Amino acid sequence: TQLLEQSPQFLSIQEGENLTVYCNSSSVFSSLQWYRQEPGEGPVLLVTVVTGGEVKKLKRLTFQFGDARKDSSLHITAAQPGDTGLYLCAGGRWGKLQFGAGTQVVVTP
Amino acid sequence: DAMVIQNPRYQVTQFGKPVTLSCSQTLNHNVMYWYQQKSSQAPKLLFHYYDKDFNNEADTPDNFQSRRPNTSFCFLDIRSPGLGDAAMYLCATSVRGSESVGYTFGSGTRLTVV
Repeated sequence: TQLLEQSPQFLSIQEGENLTVYCNSSSVFSSLQWYRQEPGEGPVLLVTVVTGGEVKKLKRLTFQFGDARKDSSLHITAAQPGDTGLYLCAGGRWGKLQFGAGTQVVVTP
Repeated sequence: DAMVIQNPRYQVTQFGKPVTLSCSQTLNHNVMYWYQQKSSQAPKLLFHYYDKDFNNEADTPDNFQSRRPNTSFCFLDIRSPGLGDAAMYLCATSVRGSESVGYTFGSGTRLTVV
């Protein structure tokens, strides 16, 4: 059973377009993290959100944590080819991280 | 730079032949994790160490073992690899009580079983 559901599974867009990926769960998490993973590499932490309703911005990336701390979204403005990768959300429970299956994002020039 | 290093990056092993993957860290983090990631799937936690305390996930097969001889090193032993064990194996570290700060991952070891 997947605790964290990510959607869509795959997203292909042109450079300059905007995109949003979602991470949903029926469980409450103490924190939620977003990672980006490139082929053949380990995930790299992008951001952690801990407060319900929290919004964090990292350059062109905007992260939001749902009020009930069960869901999150990642919005990329004016996507660039360097944004290509697998975006994973991960929820913290009992000191351990549970991962979603990821959204594969491909940005073409 | 402080980091998590996994060796080897690529490992090919024969069906049933024991194999060991290694992970070292210079972050002095007290928690180390091993995850298994198959294609298009979420990383799956196999086990973790908090200092020397070993914590096995309930659904981790007995075929998988781990050792942590000191703070810096952690090993994953697969006693009799099967074809279904082919995957990317990720090592990660964190500070106990500060997991919300995030995990630091190594680059992974891609295991192929032939």
